[in-house]
Amino acid sequence: GAVVSQHPSRVICKSGTSVKIECRSLDFQATTMFWYRQFPKQSLMLMATSNEGSKATYEQGVEKDKFLINHASLTLSTLTVTSAHPEDSSFYICSARGPLVSTGELFFGEGSRLTVL
Amino acid sequence: AQKITQTQPGMFVQEKEAVTLDCTYDTSDPSYGLFWYKQPSSGEMIFLIYQGSYDQQNATEGRYSLNFQKARKSANLVISASQLGDSAMYFCAMREENTGNQFYFGTGTSLTVIP
Repeated sequence: GAVVSQHPSRVICKSGTSVKIECRSLDFQATTMFWYRQFPKQSLMLMATSNEGSKATYEQGVEKDKFLINHASLTLSTLTVTSAHPEDSSFYICSARGPLVSTGELFFGEGSRLTVL
Repeated sequence: AQKITQTQPGMFVQEKEAVTLDCTYDTSDPSYGLFWYKQPSSGEMIFLIYQGSYDQQNATEGRYSLNFQKARKSANLVISASQLGDSAMYFCAMREENTGNQFYFGTGTSLTVIP
C-alpha cells in the first residue's frame, strides 16, 4: 500500500517554543493531507485539511495561529505547533488519501508524540 | 448524531478464536465507504479492510472480514483465528462521497488476545 512517513516520532520541548512535524507521502502524490490529534484512549480528532498550494481548512475550534499548516509540495505537509504549552501535549498523526481512487482509504503516518514541559 | 458508533470499549478473545467488533453508522449519503483501522500501542494507524456501499459481497482480507448489513447500517469486523499480535485498538471509519469525502472515526474498541 501507499506509504506515508511522519517525523519526528517523539519530541519533547520547553513551553513557549515551536515544534515542526513533517508528513511525507513517499510513493505517491498527495494533493490533500489531513492532520489529526489523538488524546490517550480516545479517537482521532480532525484538526485540519491540508491542501497543496493553498491554505489549510481548519475544523471548528482549532486555532489557525497555533497550529500552522503548510503544504508546499505534493509530497510534504508540515504542522507547526507555535508557542507550545503543556496542554498541547498530545499524539499528532497525519494521513493522506491513497492513490486508489475507487476506495480512497487513508494512509497514516507513524504519528508524533509531543510532550511540552 | 454520531456518524460512527462503536459500542464495545474493550473486548477479550482467546487466541485462535474468532472475534467480532461492532460498528454501526449513520448517513443519508447513498454513496459511502466503510473502513477498519488497527492501531497498535506504537500508535500508527494500519488500514485493514474496505467496504463500499454498493458492494454486493462482504469484503475479506486474509483473516479479516467485514459483515456488511446495509439495512441495519452495520459494518462489523470479524477477525478469525486471533493471534497475540492482534491486540490493539480498532477503529471503524466512514467516508461520505457526496459530502466532501471527510472521514468519520468511531471511538474505537480495545482488543486483547489472551494466550
